[in-house]
Amino acid sequence: AQTVTQSQPEMSVQEAETVTLSCTYDTSESNYYLFWYKQPPSRQMILVIRQEAYKQQNATENRFSVNFQKAAKSFSLKISDSQLGDTAMYFCAFMRANNDMRFGAGTRLTVKP
Amino acid sequence: KAGVTQTPRYLIKTRGQQVTLSCSPISGHRSVSWYQQTPGQGLQFLFEYFSETQRNKGNFPGRFSGRQFSNSRSEMNVSTLELGDSALYLCASSLGDHRQSSGNTIYFGEGSWLTVV
Repeated sequence: AQTVTQSQPEMSVQEAETVTLSCTYDTSESNYYLFWYKQPPSRQMILVIRQEAYKQQNATENRFSVNFQKAAKSFSLKISDSQLGDTAMYFCAFMRANNDMRFGAGTRLTVKP
Repeated sequence: KAGVTQTPRYLIKTRGQQVTLSCSPISGHRSVSWYQQTPGQGLQFLFEYFSETQRNKGNFPGRFSGRQFSNSRSEMNVSTLELGDSALYLCASSLGDHRQSSGNTIYFGEGSWLTVV
């Protein structure tokens, strides 16, 4: 079974600083996809970034980037120049090629002014 | 284009009753998946439908069921409601084909809040 572990239940960061959220996963498959989703207080799940396992290059979306270490089964999210609007729950997710997706327990991020 | 739409947004049911939740995917998306979110269990995968067929299923009892229509709209049903079924139910849609670029990236609706009393 695939499992996703987010070891940091809560984190905080000062506005404009950088923060890294950790995620590890366990799978025996070689073809899969990894995602980070953000869930603000409105509870709307918003896609932050996506990574295909077969791509060695780390994905980047504006202030968000990932450090994908396939051998270590690690997929961390770095948020640069943190903004107050980044305050949310962040979920790491693993998806097999057949669209079966599993989520981690989430990390609650607070950006402080 | 319009996002994933879920109805109703909020509902209260009594133990033993049944409930049906509806989800309209993003236009062109053929895959619809359902998730249950609770404080204790987090986000859990219920099932996924693609072209009217259940393609994946999570570890939930048979009281939880779903279906998908020819227009890709989906419904999920929970029968004989229990207090523990109180949760946010999230629907998500995608193209459903990982062979397409971003074909399996899922987009979520705002959810349906179910309270069982």
